[in-house]
Amino acid sequence: ETGVTQSPTHLIKTRGQQVTLRCSSQSGHNTVSWYQQALGQGPQFIFQYYREEENGRGNFPPRFSGLQFPNYSSELNVNALELDDSALYLCASSSPGQGVRETQYFGPGTRLLVL
Amino acid sequence: GQNIDQPTEMTATEGAIVQINCTYQTSGFNGLFWYQQHAGEAPTFLSYNVLDGLEEKGRFSSFLSRSKGYSYLLLKELQMKDSASYLCAVRDLQTGANNLFFGTGTRLTVIP
Repeated sequence: ETGVTQSPTHLIKTRGQQVTLRCSSQSGHNTVSWYQQALGQGPQFIFQYYREEENGRGNFPPRFSGLQFPNYSSELNVNALELDDSALYLCASSSPGQGVRETQYFGPGTRLLVL
Repeated sequence: GQNIDQPTEMTATEGAIVQINCTYQTSGFNGLFWYQQHAGEAPTFLSYNVLDGLEEKGRFSSFLSRSKGYSYLLLKELQMKDSASYLCAVRDLQTGANNLFFGTGTRLTVIP
């Protein structure tokens, strides 16, 4: 158990809909990163939040957006869902205070199915 | 850009030793991580290398050569529960974030 929690665990949506996924970081961690993991692939970096600001973004379109709250929890929002958005969405928390040994710890993920 | 290569699948026998290799190309290298992921579960942190050499952690060891862009994860005294995917990930500062770039993972099957 990493102390990182995500909700919901599973979700089914239809194409064109919008979805919000939630993540609570491990105690003491102020950085949250989101990843998308398609079946049989490694996780792909979506974006990272640090102190409520986006702190870097991977190669994902603007319909993927996020928020971080003062308690360091975070949301991932996806608009205009497409079939290819079906994946496991992972949230990872970390603390820059660890310096070069900063390690990301993952939550259990939200499995999204878009029909 | 970043590129990470690791074998897709490996099979090894219970009690044996297995080495999973990873080669990478990245411009803003700031550390290499290994994660274990059981089917349907989240990745679990195993090890971290930022300097060349071997890091040992119980039955697991990880090696890094930055000049060769190469790492391996060594698993000793294999157990059935070690059957999982092993993800090699490079931390890259290119995007401005301290994020990880993952390979596709190596699915290890441990047989009796």
